[in-house]
Amino acid sequence: TQLLEQSPQFLSIQEGENLTVYCNSSSVFSSLQWYRQEPGEGPVLLVTVVTGGEVKKLKRLTFQFGDARKDSSLHITAAQPGDTGLYLCAGVRSGGSNYKLTFGKGTLLTVNP
Amino acid sequence: NAGVTQTPKFQVLKTGQSMTLQCAQDMNHNSMYWYRQDPGMGLRLIYYSASEGTTDKGEVPNGYNVSRLNKREFSLRLESAAPSQTSVYFCASVTGTGIFLTAKNIQYFGAGTRLSVL
Repeated sequence: TQLLEQSPQFLSIQEGENLTVYCNSSSVFSSLQWYRQEPGEGPVLLVTVVTGGEVKKLKRLTFQFGDARKDSSLHITAAQPGDTGLYLCAGVRSGGSNYKLTFGKGTLLTVNP
Repeated sequence: NAGVTQTPKFQVLKTGQSMTLQCAQDMNHNSMYWYRQDPGMGLRLIYYSASEGTTDKGEVPNGYNVSRLNKREFSLRLESAAPSQTSVYFCASVTGTGIFLTAKNIQYFGAGTRLSVL
């Protein structure tokens, strides 16, 4: 059983379109992070959300943490080819093994020019 | 500032061969991690080290050993490689102190080692 379910698994869109990626769980997380990974590289942290209902913006990227801290979403406005990559959500589970991050399987985004 | 450096970048092994994956960080972090990334499986923790001289098992430690040589270096060893160990291996170092992760901790990843075991 995957603790963090990401959807969709693959997404291919045209430049200028908007998109949303989801990260869902039945467990509560004390914090949740979003990473972007480009081909041949390691993941790079984009944002950390901590408070239920929290919204953070990073240029054209908007991150939201669910009120119950069980889910999160990443919305990209006017996607650009440079947004192409694997987006991973990861969290520290409340009351669980808080020495490690639990990762979702990722959403592979392709933005076509 | 190099961050986290992994060597080698690519490696092909035959079943039964051994090898050591090297990882070094120059950010003076206490904690370091080894992950493997497989298609459709996400990142899974192999071993971690909360400080120099300590190591602990993660989710998938079987078939691996680690050494925290000093604060900078954390190596991963495959004693007898198997095809199931074909994967991309990532090392990460983490800001902060102590074993427990909080929202303030940031993981910095290396570029990975792509290992094929034939």
